[in-house]
Amino acid sequence: DVKVTQSSRYLVKRTGEKVFLECVQDMDHENMFWYRQDPGLGLRLIYFSYDVKMKEKGDIPEGYSVSREKKERFSLILESASTNQTSMYLCASSLITGQPNTEAFFGQGTRLTVV
Amino acid sequence: GESVGLHLPTLSVQEGDNSIINCAYSNSASDYFIWYKQESGKGPQFIIDIRSNMDKRQGQRVTVLLNKTVKHLSLQIAATQPGDSAVYFCAETRMNTGFQKLVFGTGTRLLVSP
Repeated sequence: DVKVTQSSRYLVKRTGEKVFLECVQDMDHENMFWYRQDPGLGLRLIYFSYDVKMKEKGDIPEGYSVSREKKERFSLILESASTNQTSMYLCASSLITGQPNTEAFFGQGTRLTVV
Repeated sequence: GESVGLHLPTLSVQEGDNSIINCAYSNSASDYFIWYKQESGKGPQFIIDIRSNMDKRQGQRVTVLLNKTVKHLSLQIAATQPGDSAVYFCAETRMNTGFQKLVFGTGTRLLVSP
């Protein structure tokens, strides 16, 4: 089974802190994604990566950056955490198959609270 | 702007009934439409997809219907079970700078009563 592991289930950080959310997948997937999930808004794409050291902005990249130094690891960075970044963060991965990707595998999520 | 959304935020059904979860979309250029299920405390999990040139696809106890005329997608669950209680998201694939990505709707909560 594909396993996508996020380093923390719950995090509490202070406003202005630099926050790192880590995600590791064990199936050699090329694609990795970071979403945030908020009630009534569904899942919104922050950033994604289709190869090592490659990154693309999603729909809401402001206030975030990412790092992909190794294929299995994709990190989301909040440069200076703010209260409006309190959310559930979901990491996902998928294969590049040569046709549209529809099956992404998700981690269990990190609930981040910024106080 | 373009969006993927849902008609109903919560659907309550009795165990054994059939459930129908609906979704409206606006991007006619999407290649695939997909349904994901998210159980409490877990990440979303892929259920079934349908290519944009199809109007129906069946899986195990689930059927997805696509009506391109009215830009409507539905997920039918037969003989709903308590284990089907979850939030269901529709999603679509879109191109982004030449690379396909998933765009999710806002979700519908399905509550199954015994």
